[in-house]
Amino acid sequence: KQEVTQIPAALSVPEGENLVLNCSFTDSAIYNLQWFRQDPGKGLTSLLLIQSSQREQTSGRLNASLDKSSGRSTLYIAASQPGDSATYLCAVEGGGGNKLTFGTGTQLKVEL
Amino acid sequence: ETGVTQSPTHLIKTRGQQVTLRCSSQSGHNTVSWYQQALGQGPQFIFQYYREEENGRGNFPPRFSGLQFPNYSSELNVNALELDDSALYLCASSLPNRKSSYNEQFFGPGTRLTVL
Repeated sequence: KQEVTQIPAALSVPEGENLVLNCSFTDSAIYNLQWFRQDPGKGLTSLLLIQSSQREQTSGRLNASLDKSSGRSTLYIAASQPGDSATYLCAVEGGGGNKLTFGTGTQLKVEL
Repeated sequence: ETGVTQSPTHLIKTRGQQVTLRCSSQSGHNTVSWYQQALGQGPQFIFQYYREEENGRGNFPPRFSGLQFPNYSSELNVNALELDDSALYLCASSLPNRKSSYNEQFFGPGTRLTVL
């Protein structure tokens, strides 16, 4: 059974700091890995998707890496801003190509 | 291009009642997945529909059922509601590329269900 863990559970940083969020998963036979952002009480916004054959993806100030063999992914956020404050979730899609298994998220607060 | 929409936004029911939640997929997407998110937790997979057929189910009892229509919109039905069913219900749509592992899922805003 796939299990996804995210560390840390919560993080508070000053504006402008670069930061790294971590995600680990127990079964390396994944189809892809997706990072999401969730604002309080809202739905999920897709940030980046990394296919199983890829090592990293970049979008603006975000960079996500994937190391399938070690079961790890990181989301790097450069020059953090207060608007980045949200919960960040990572999810892996199994080899069956249907369901996403989510971690419990990292709650990020970027302070002025 | 219209994104994923869900209705209603909020819903309050009492134990034992039945509820139907609705989801319209993003234009061109043929796959819809439903997730339940309890407070402080990550979403849990309920089931997925691909071209009107169920294509995978998570660890949820049979009182959770669904449908997908020819236009790829979908419904989630929950019978005999229990207090623990209180959660945010999320719908996601996608257009899986079966030749690669590209299957980006796009989520709707969710329906907040409260069971009293």
